[in-house]
This record gives sequence, structure tokens and C-alpha cells, in this order.
Amino acid sequence: DAGVIQSPRHEVTEMGQEVTLRCKPISGHNSLFWYRQTMMRGLELLIYFNNNVPIDDSGMPEDRFSAKMPNASFSTLKIQPSEPRDSAVYFCASSFLAGGQETQYFGPGTRLLVL
Amino acid sequence: GNSVTQMEGPVTLSEEAFLTINCTYTATGYPSLFWYVQYPGEGLQLLLKATKADDKGSNKGFEATYRKETTSFHLEKGSVQVSDSAVYFCALLTGANNLFFGTGTRLTVIP
Repeated sequence: DAGVIQSPRHEVTEMGQEVTLRCKPISGHNSLFWYRQTMMRGLELLIYFNNNVPIDDSGMPEDRFSAKMPNASFSTLKIQPSEPRDSAVYFCASSFLAGGQETQYFGPGTRLLVL
Repeated sequence: GNSVTQMEGPVTLSEEAFLTINCTYTATGYPSLFWYVQYPGEGLQLLLKATKADDKGSNKGFEATYRKETTSFHLEKGSVQVSDSAVYFCALLTGANNLFFGTGTRLTVIP
């Protein structure tokens, strides 16, 4: 079985540009999570979806960040406009929630550098 | 609130040494506990987990026991290898399916 797939793996862009990160969760999973990892703040949950519906977006830093999940097999995280402080590794994770606390499986991450 | 406190690194050990990475937590309710590992340049991989008190998670020679009385989930391995060099994250998962991570502990194993 394929794991969580993220693209691109690396992204270098200039300040002010729009950045779109993509994620394909594990087939059959019904929850999807976006995390950001930085040296200063460690791993932070940005947003999570259950059955394609955003459940908790309290971790989204500001209005420049938006996330969508148009169907069960695809999600995007968009930053517009990007800023140098957005440079980080962005992870997508998925799980199958069945009323309990289910294990989250992580993708390889997208390393974003905003110049 | 919910939080995880991990032993600060970096930790440097010789091959075949015994490893302990301490992890304690604060949680409301009854969380599940996890150890994730991140190898250089890669994403997070689930190493092991425990879902209730006194459960022991184990994988690849690593073990951790969910201790409710001490709110701990320390990671241990009897004999580390160079290939175990990575960053290890302790995490707790709440009933609301929020995953809280510790700051990570970098382990370097030298031959």
C-alpha cells in the first residue's frame, strides 16, 4: 500500500509568490492533517479534516494560509502571499477515525524555502 | 492542558550501548501515546504506540511502557546501532484527535 504522498518534495520560491502544497492520503483514511515543522516551534498542527470537512483550523497562522479538501483523496495547503518566515517543512498525515484515537501516518514532507 | 516533555538532546552513544529517552506528559482524559522517528531528510515514521495504561509498545528492538502513575512513556533500546541515528519524537493523541509532540531528541550512534 502506498503511504501518504506529498508534492512537491522541495519548493523554493520568492517572497510574495503563491505556494501550493499537495497531499494524497492513504486510501480509505477519512481524516487528514497538515503540520508544520520549524526549528523554533517544532511540530505544529495547522488544520485537520474529517470526511473532507475542516474540523479544527485554529493552528492556521493567518489569512495567508488556506487549506482545502475537495475529495477524500486530495488536499491542498496554499500560502498566498508567501513570506520568508513561512520557510519550514510541511507534513501531511492521515488516519482512519472510527470513534477512537487512531494512529496518524505521515508523508515525507515538503521542504519550503521562501527567499 | 495537553503537553509532552521530552529529554533534551542531543544524545550521543557508542554502538551497542543502552538507550533511554525520557518522555513525560500532561493530559486531560486518557490519551494514546506514540514514539515517532525522523531519519535525516525524511518524514516522520511511527515507531511504536500504546493506547492504555500498562500497555507496552515495541518495534525494531525499541520499547516503551505507558505508565499512568508517573505519566511517562520512556523509550528504551538495549543495544543501539549506527542506523538508529535519528530524531525521536514522543507524542500524545487526545480524544479530540489532536496530536501533541515533544520537541524531539536527536540521537547519534557512533561506531
